[in-house]
Amino acid sequence: DQQVKQNSPSLSVQEGRISILNCDYTNSMFDYFLWYKKYPAEGPTFLISISSIKDKNEDGRFTVFLNKSAKHLSLHIVPSQPGDSAVYFCAARKDAGNMLTFGGGTRLMVKP
Amino acid sequence: DTEVTQTPKHLVMGMTNKKSLKCEQHMGHRAMYWYKQKAKKPPELMFVYSYEKLSINESVPSRFSPECPNSSLLNLHLHALQPEDSALYLCASSPLQAGLGQFFGPGTRLTVL
Repeated sequence: DQQVKQNSPSLSVQEGRISILNCDYTNSMFDYFLWYKKYPAEGPTFLISISSIKDKNEDGRFTVFLNKSAKHLSLHIVPSQPGDSAVYFCAARKDAGNMLTFGGGTRLMVKP
Repeated sequence: DTEVTQTPKHLVMGMTNKKSLKCEQHMGHRAMYWYKQKAKKPPELMFVYSYEKLSINESVPSRFSPECPNSSLLNLHLHALQPEDSALYLCASSPLQAGLGQFFGPGTRLTVL
């Protein structure tokens, strides 16, 4: 049973435009949601997080939106840059033990 | 120092070998993690250490044995592995406060022959 899902395995965007990566979850006990970026042959890099009591968090070009009623979150990257090309993982945290459950990832390709 | 380092980067071992993966961080994080990642799949949690004590073991076979000698080091001892254990093994660390994210190392690419 996949508790965190990223339904789009890949996304292609033109440089300078907005990239929107989506994530759905099923467990209402998750209290934090996080986005990670992963380049080949490297470990995931933490990008941005949002608490379940918020609906938006912004950090530079990255904004995460949370819709609790729909159990849906999204990561907006604007403007997109070729260096943003990577696999993006959505992750959700349950309180005890700081355990993360990851989605399957979305490969973002930003074309110059 | 905001890095998590892992050694070795690559490891090839036979099914009868004993080897160890090492992970180190100097960020003062008191939680450390081992994940396993197969190709085109998300990382899967194996173990969590909090304050150098094993707090979570996600039903991992006993051929994987974690060890946390101190607050900066995390080892994963491997013995009698199977070819299906071939994967990228990721170490991560984090503060215990929520929402601050886990910092991942680059991983050890393990191949079991």
